Amino acid sequence: GENVEQHPSTLSVQEGDSAVIKCTYSDSASNYFPWYKQELGKGPQLIIDIRSNVGEKKDQRIAVTLNKTAKHFSLHITETQPEDSAVYFCAASDLDGGSQGNLIFGKGTKLSVKP
Amino acid sequence: NAGVMQNPRHLVRRRGQEARLRCSPVKGHSHVYWYRQLPEEGLKFMVYLQKENIIDESGMPKERFSAEFPKEGPSILRIQQVVRGDSAAYFCASSHRLPTNPFNNEQFFGPGTRLTVL
Repeated sequence: GENVEQHPSTLSVQEGDSAVIKCTYSDSASNYFPWYKQELGKGPQLIIDIRSNVGEKKDQRIAVTLNKTAKHFSLHITETQPEDSAVYFCAASDLDGGSQGNLIFGKGTKLSVKP
Repeated sequence: NAGVMQNPRHLVRRRGQEARLRCSPVKGHSHVYWYRQLPEEGLKFMVYLQKENIIDESGMPKERFSAEFPKEGPSILRIQQVVRGDSAAYFCASSHRLPTNPFNNEQFFGPGTRLTVL
């Protein structure tokens, strides 16, 4: 089955700096890669996603890149702000296969943005 | 628009009791997923349901756990004879996948139910 590895587990940056979180996946059939932000005591919120037919997607300060050959994808947050502090999860899914779109999550990255 | 609703938000049970967790999906969504999150861990898939059908329960323990999503009403995750190891946050997510557009699988998560087994 699919396995998703996420690094680093913790990340501390100064406000205004960029933050990069990386994930690798094992199943070449995976074709959908969402990123979720989870604040303390809350459910995960989708912040951006990418499908296997594109290599990069950007939404304001957030961007995601996908390298299908190497089976890795990354989240980039520019001009970080204190409110970006949260736990970020990557996930992978095969929307066409037997998993029926179930998300396989990485273990999360705790991002701290220092003012 | 109401998002995914889960209740209760916090549930305390003693070993051997039953826990019932409820999830009301986003209005119009007919696909529900349940995930479990242990402290400091990512979310682990448990079960995927459509209205009145269990599609994939490969992540759910074979014993003591069951799930349903009836034609009317919320989806229910039921844990019988709870043990301490069942203590976790349980999240429900819903989506609006269409056979004609399988890539429309954005999953919206609820706030979770935090189960504590004493």
